[in-house]
Amino acid sequence: NAGVTQTPKFRILKIGQSMTLQCTQDMNHNYMYWYRQDPGMGLKLIYYSVGAGITDKGEVPNGYNVSRSTTEDFPLRLELAAPSQTSVYFCASSSDTRPYQPQHFGDGTRLSIL
Amino acid sequence: QQPVQSPQAVILREGEDAVINCSSSKALYSVHWYRQKHGEAPVFLMILLKGGEQMRHEKISASFNEKKQQSSLYLTASQLSYSGTYFCGTEVYSSYKLIFGSGTRLLVRP
Repeated sequence: NAGVTQTPKFRILKIGQSMTLQCTQDMNHNYMYWYRQDPGMGLKLIYYSVGAGITDKGEVPNGYNVSRSTTEDFPLRLELAAPSQTSVYFCASSSDTRPYQPQHFGDGTRLSIL
Repeated sequence: QQPVQSPQAVILREGEDAVINCSSSKALYSVHWYRQKHGEAPVFLMILLKGGEQMRHEKISASFNEKKQQSSLYLTASQLSYSGTYFCGTEVYSSYKLIFGSGTRLLVRP
């Protein structure tokens, strides 16, 4: 199994540009998450989804948008990129079976805004 | 509210023990522990559930004190491979959302 796949792995954007970070999982997980991790810091939840068509804000949603049209895919959209959005972005997924199952992380997208 | 991890950093000699703590000001439903090596994604270690038992992953174990809303990660007879940053993720009520602490950097030296 591929697990959680993120593309691209690296990207450099200019201020004001837009882009979409792709995330797909092949584990049939209903729960998916987007985090950002600034250098030397912890993970901050941006958005999450509990199933196709259902998304909700996390701790730091400003400047980002998400959609969930299928169980497998959960893209993250950056509009009008700003230097403060320079970070490593991780996508994760988990099963909704109780008790709460572990989150499986993708390898991350390293994004620089210049 | 972000959980508080302590200490922020630990340096050990191979074979020594360490304890990492994770405290929350809110009542918790579960606590997750992940380890992240430099330049890699976080990797799941274990989950502690409210009312659940102490968990173990190889020589790493963890406990959850519901009265204090605190979880502790115990690393015994540390190995070089234990080096990395350890994060706790806390779940408040049955939300399926985790709020992560800022991490504890662990370095194990030969």
